[in-house]
Amino acid sequence: EIVLTQSPGTLSLSPGERATLSCRASQSVTSSYLAWYQQTPGQAPRLLIFAASNRATGIPDRFSGGGSGTDFTLTISRLQPEDFAVYYCQQYDSSTWTFGQGTKVEIK
Amino acid sequence: QLQLQESGPGLVKPWETLSLTCTVSGGSISSSSYYWGWVRQPPGKGLEWIGSIFYRGTTYYNPSLESRLVVSVDTSKNQFSLKLSSVTAADTAVYYCARQAGWGAPYFDYWGQGTLGTVSS
Repeated sequence: EIVLTQSPGTLSLSPGERATLSCRASQSVTSSYLAWYQQTPGQAPRLLIFAASNRATGIPDRFSGGGSGTDFTLTISRLQPEDFAVYYCQQYDSSTWTFGQGTKVEIK
Repeated sequence: QLQLQESGPGLVKPWETLSLTCTVSGGSISSSSYYWGWVRQPPGKGLEWIGSIFYRGTTYYNPSLESRLVVSVDTSKNQFSLKLSSVTAADTAVYYCARQAGWGAPYFDYWGQGTLGTVSS
């Protein structure tokens, strides 16, 4: 089973700043099978990025994804108040889906 | 607009079976383009994939839950369901149903609002 490790656990930033979140896999992940989600308190997760770098429908272009192999990143170019949330990466391999433990982006 | 809605008893006794149903509206569960999955989230913790099903009945289960888990589909009702047996307090979580999309169904693009399943005597 591929394990995803996200870092940092918590990111403290101010609105307008740039956020860079990391997702490292225990073995290589097919880029087509790497996704990112945003979750705000009391809400279901929302798909942000699929296939490592493709924005889901309705996602603003300040969100971007990149990376390959075992290292992937989610970047938020200029944090808006609504972006302070928990972010999860997720992968699919051999009929198994796994999530990272999450990164919380909080207001500094 | 596709919508998913979880339903089922919110409280289950230890060692009994947790049964949840997800009703899909605004689209057909019988599409060959999608899988349908369950994800859970213990209070204050992260997300865990539980299991997935294709409308023809093909299932995939989280190995850590497989011995206690059954996921099924009822295409006539546009629903899929989860049964988790021999539950303990560790199974207390918000349970989400979701649609899985993409070639190989690698990601979850539509989610239900979630339902809290509490295991307590």
